[in-house]
Amino acid sequence: QQKVQQSPESLTVSEGAMASLNCTFSDGTSNNFRWYRQHSAKGLEVLVSIFSDGEKEEGRFTAHLNRANLHVSLHIREPQPSDSAVYLCAGVYGGSGNKLIFGTGTLLSVKP
Amino acid sequence: NAGVIQTPRHKVTGKGQEATLWCEPISGHSAVFWYRQTIVQGLEFLTYFRNQAPIDDSGMPKERFSAQMPNQSHSTLKIQSTQPQDSAVYLCASSLGTGDTLYFGAGTRLSVL
Repeated sequence: QQKVQQSPESLTVSEGAMASLNCTFSDGTSNNFRWYRQHSAKGLEVLVSIFSDGEKEEGRFTAHLNRANLHVSLHIREPQPSDSAVYLCAGVYGGSGNKLIFGTGTLLSVKP
Repeated sequence: NAGVIQTPRHKVTGKGQEATLWCEPISGHSAVFWYRQTIVQGLEFLTYFRNQAPIDDSGMPKERFSAQMPNQSHSTLKIQSTQPQDSAVYLCASSLGTGDTLYFGAGTRLSVL
């Protein structure tokens, strides 16, 4: 059973400072990773999908993937208070790419 | 595009009662997924349909839980004889095809008293 470890559990940053979140996967059988954001009482919003080593940028969100280290990170440039949410990473598993295995999440608080 | 629609948003049942949760996927999406979210376990995969056919139900509890997709516009998750440990947020998601980005609904919060 694949497992995903996220760190830190919670993170507080000041508005405008870079926020960095991390995920480590238990095995290397996935090559498709996603970062989602969940605001309180709302559904999950996809931020970035990354399929190859290196980085992928979507607006203020940049994902870095290092498959050899089973590690994917998310960097949020110039975070705003509205970015305060739970951030979840996920790997796509299953023979036909049918299953997301999620990390436990990082609670990000952005202070004005 | 209204996104994935889940109803009801909140449901409260007594122990032993049945609960049915509804999901309307995004029009044109062929894959529908159900997940369960709790504080302790986080987000857990339950089951998955492709073109209305059940493909993978490896995350579904063996008893009391069932899911159907009678047509391309809705899926249901039914929990019989609900127990307090079933209390969770149940999330439905759809994607254009398998391996594509999943788009999630806002979820149904089930509380079993």
